Amino acid sequence: DGGITQSPKYLFRKEGQNVTLSCEQNLNHDAMYWYRQDPGQGLRLIYYSQIVNDFQKGDIAEGYSVSREKKESFPLTVTSAQKNPTAFYLCASIKGQAFFGQGTRLTVV
Amino acid sequence: KQEVTQIPAALSVPEGENLVLNCSFTDSAIYNLQWFRQDPGKGLTSLLLIQSSQREQTSGRLNASLDKSSGRSTLYIAASQPGDSATYLCAVGGYSGYSTLTFGKGTMLLVSP
Repeated sequence: DGGITQSPKYLFRKEGQNVTLSCEQNLNHDAMYWYRQDPGQGLRLIYYSQIVNDFQKGDIAEGYSVSREKKESFPLTVTSAQKNPTAFYLCASIKGQAFFGQGTRLTVV
Repeated sequence: KQEVTQIPAALSVPEGENLVLNCSFTDSAIYNLQWFRQDPGKGLTSLLLIQSSQREQTSGRLNASLDKSSGRSTLYIAASQPGDSATYLCAVGGYSGYSTLTFGKGTMLLVSP
């Protein structure tokens, strides 16, 4: 089954803690993307990577970090510098058409 | 900077109605336009992809049109069903197939039996 797998589905973060969201794809796509979705808003781009070992900041990169060591994997770390991390996070792979994972809902406790 | 607007923000219709969702964008230099469906708490499912050189795409009861010069796209849903209830998102891609997508805020559709 080809697609995008995100884990975990739900994640809880304590104040001052870093957490990492996983995104894996088996579509053999070069380009991968992280979006954030807040209620009543469209998706906003956090980071994207068009090739292994290279990535670019999106519109709201502050407080987030990524790595792209393998083509299949593009993990997102939400750092303690992100002041309002509660949101729904979506990972995508795009080659013409976009394919999305099922999302991770992050909540600060 | 590209901006995407979707109208209406919410729509409620009885089952069986034909309906149109609208999407407009400010920069006509797009590579493609995609329509997605999102169920509550879920990821996005791609419905239709229209390349910039195309005027429309059809899949089952769905038809999407693109008028690049006027910066508009419409998603037509024929004979709506309760299972069509979801949020529909429009996104435009710029310059190449690997470029980022700019999303509208979506239209929340409710089809009542």
